[in-house]
Amino acid sequence: KAGVTQTPRYLIKTRGQQVTLSCSPISGHRSVSWYQQTPGQGLQFLFEYFSETQRNKGNFPGRFSGRQFSNSRSEMNVSTLELGDSALYLCASNFVGGENEKLFFGSGTQLSVL
Amino acid sequence: DAKTTQPTSMDCAEGRAANLPCNHSTISGNEYVYWYRQIHSQGPQYIIHGLKNNETNEMASLIITEDRKSSTLILPHATLRDTAVYYCIVRASGYSTLTFGKGTMLLVSP
Repeated sequence: KAGVTQTPRYLIKTRGQQVTLSCSPISGHRSVSWYQQTPGQGLQFLFEYFSETQRNKGNFPGRFSGRQFSNSRSEMNVSTLELGDSALYLCASNFVGGENEKLFFGSGTQLSVL
Repeated sequence: DAKTTQPTSMDCAEGRAANLPCNHSTISGNEYVYWYRQIHSQGPQYIIHGLKNNETNEMASLIITEDRKSSTLILPHATLRDTAVYYCIVRASGYSTLTFGKGTMLLVSP
């Protein structure tokens, strides 16, 4: 079974631009969540999608948005990029239905904002 | 989710057991203890989880105290590849999100 796939692996943008990151979950997983990791703040939850609906949202500004498609693939978008948005963006998927849900993470997209 | 406390860093000699402690004194009855690890520049990897009984899998063992206020992750024979940041997380069942703390940086040396 293929793991969680994130593309691209690396991305360089300039301030003010926007960026779209992609995540393909493990087959059969319908929940996809996104996390931001920076040296200063650590791993922080951005949002979670389940069946094309945002189910949970972290404490991030509206410049951060996401969506999920009918095949469970997800994208996240960051508009009007700021230097502080430089981070590793991680996507995780899990099978929703049991009590003990394990998250499976992709390798992440390393975003650098210049 | 309940808050967890972990040491910032630990060292372990290759081949020895690594015992990583975690305090979660405010854990609720329906909250599980999860352990993940993150090797540099990779996504976190699930290790093990438990509610109140001790658990063991091919990667590690999890020992939870009877009052559930603390736990220990045991890597029985640490290798250099086990060098990583280890996160202890408590989470209620049925939730799909994780709240990460700062974790413990485990350094396994030859």
